[in-house]
Amino acid sequence: QKEVEQDPGPLSVPEGAIVSLNCTYSNSAFQYFMWYRQYSRKGPELLMYTYSSGNKEDGRFTAQVDKSSKYISLFIRDSQPSDSATYLCAMEYNFNKFYFGSGTKLNVKP
Amino acid sequence: DAMVIQNPRYQVTQFGKPVTLSCSQTLNHNVMYWYQQKSSQAPKLLFHYYDKDFNNEADTPDNFQSRRPNTSFCFLDIRSPGLGDAAMYLCATNLGGRAVYEQFFGPGTRLTVL
Repeated sequence: QKEVEQDPGPLSVPEGAIVSLNCTYSNSAFQYFMWYRQYSRKGPELLMYTYSSGNKEDGRFTAQVDKSSKYISLFIRDSQPSDSATYLCAMEYNFNKFYFGSGTKLNVKP
Repeated sequence: DAMVIQNPRYQVTQFGKPVTLSCSQTLNHNVMYWYQQKSSQAPKLLFHYYDKDFNNEADTPDNFQSRRPNTSFCFLDIRSPGLGDAAMYLCATNLGGRAVYEQFFGPGTRLTVL
């Protein structure tokens, strides 16, 4: 069993749609939960992070963590073509080490 | 701009011919990482340095080595590349301490093994 599972997609939505991206994990020791965005031929860049359970909002993005279900989500409201990228979830363990999901490829059509 | 720089962006090597990938950072971060990312797969942590302390992941092949001569630079050496080592290699940095959640990634080096 992988430490982090993420649906690879691709996910194709029309501009303006609400997008839901999800990851499940198996290790209850994870404390920090991150979402990275990766454009083609670029390195990942941090979008949001959450510590432990709860919600966090930043503009059009909302990150949600449910530790009891070992499930995290990223919601994108009013999606734009510029949001088209691969979204990777990541989790921190054992201080300064990270597990990543394999990424969900998102395409927002104009 | 402060950033993480990787050279070269594209590297072609022959089967078994040693290759070195380079990473430099202007962020003055304590922690530097090397990840291997194959197509449509998760970035896989190979090793990281916290200052001069080297931390190897248990499943990182012996074929992969790393050096960090100073705070700014970190190198990935692949002693005898095999076809299975073709991948994108990502360097990342982290301030360390309480800021464990944020890594800054370079653009990656795409390695081709012929």
